[in-house]
Amino acid sequence: GIQVEQSPPDLILQEGANSTLRCNFSDSVNNLQWFHQNPWGQLINLFYIPSGTKQNGRLSATTVATERYSLLYISSSQTTDSGVYFCAVEIEYGGSQGNLIFGKGTKLSVKP
Amino acid sequence: DSGVTQTPKHLITATGQRVTLRCSPRSGDLSVYWYQQSLDQGLQFLIQYYNGEERAKGNILERFSAQQFPDLHSELNLSSLELGDSALYFCASSFRGQYNEQFFGPGTRLTVL
Repeated sequence: GIQVEQSPPDLILQEGANSTLRCNFSDSVNNLQWFHQNPWGQLINLFYIPSGTKQNGRLSATTVATERYSLLYISSSQTTDSGVYFCAVEIEYGGSQGNLIFGKGTKLSVKP
Repeated sequence: DSGVTQTPKHLITATGQRVTLRCSPRSGDLSVYWYQQSLDQGLQFLIQYYNGEERAKGNILERFSAQQFPDLHSELNLSSLELGDSALYFCASSFRGQYNEQFFGPGTRLTVL
């Protein structure tokens, strides 16, 4: 099946620093989403980005579907950015489509 | 707030028991997905329903079943529970069954003792 690999697995930043998280996938995908799982376990939608570039405040994301990767940029990080960032892709599964395949995540810790 | 609601938030039960998790999708969404997050397996897709019909199945055990009702809410039934079933169970919804953004509920944390 498709492999979704995220790097780095762990990242420790000082508040105010910038970072880039990467998601590689091994096959063609229909769609791609980035999520932030906060310390309370909630999965928060960051971007729905099958291709191209999007920005939302201090966060931006780029997906290059033809090269099978996506990048999540976090600028001027804050302690509230701490948590786990997941990349998830939508593939065809058993003739039906729609379910997401998740990477293992990048655990981000932002220190004050 | 994603608009997807799940109840209960926490559930503690014993091995061998049966539990039901409930999910209400965002208003207007026709598709409901169930995912399981455990420490060893990560986030895994279990099952999808679209407008009341089962649409896709993932790594769902035979002891688990689900359904989507006419009002589009969904229930996930877990029976003969084992210690390894302890996990965070998420429900997600989307308007269509494919090619669109999924929004996740807050999850139900199941602990099997």
